[in-house]
Amino acid sequence: QVQLQESGPGLVKPSETLSLTCTVSGGSMSRYYWSWIRQPPGKELEWIAYIYYSGSTNYNPSLRSRVIISVDTSKNQFSLKMTSVTAADTAVYYCARGEAVAGAPFDYWGQGTLVTVSS
Amino acid sequence: DIQMTQSPSSLSASVGDRVTITCRTSQSISNYLNWYQQKLGKAPKLLIYAASSLQNGVPSRFSGSGSGAEFTLTISSLQPEDCATYYCQQSYSSPFNFGQGTKLEIK
Repeated sequence: QVQLQESGPGLVKPSETLSLTCTVSGGSMSRYYWSWIRQPPGKELEWIAYIYYSGSTNYNPSLRSRVIISVDTSKNQFSLKMTSVTAADTAVYYCARGEAVAGAPFDYWGQGTLVTVSS
Repeated sequence: DIQMTQSPSSLSASVGDRVTITCRTSQSISNYLNWYQQKLGKAPKLLIYAASSLQNGVPSRFSGSGSGAEFTLTISSLQPEDCATYYCQQSYSSPFNFGQGTKLEIK
């Protein structure tokens, strides 16, 4: 059974960089896309970016200028960095998996981690 | 970007009722439409993929239909544990947007 677990600071100051890591267990990272998705309190889900196990990436244009996604297959981990955060970036951040075929859904999700941007 | 419009935004129904939620997209996406269930404080759970395929382990009272730009999620006989928010999501093209959600309450 594949499991995903997010980790990282729960509090980030405005203008600083948010850094999160997702650890994948119970399966290989090969042949899958690995995504970050966020949900501000009381609001809808927003896809941020994905990375293929080989390192190719795809970003939401609305966040592209501030986001970097990376992967370390030796550790079965992938990571998110978001620069210049503001209160609008306060959200529960989820990592999720999608099979590397056209139209694949997000079939496995982490439990989510709340990141609050505040001084 | 493909815009997603879900309706209704909320609904209240009784146990045993048939419930239908609609998702419309701003352009045709073939059948690249997925449905998720999110219970309070939990991560979303995949229910339906490719518009009408039931994810393993999901009860058969859930079904999906549609293609092109209009899709529906149907719960044939509502159960108390179906109290949740339901989201549609398109996997046709990046960015992979979600609908705004439908909050389902049990009367």
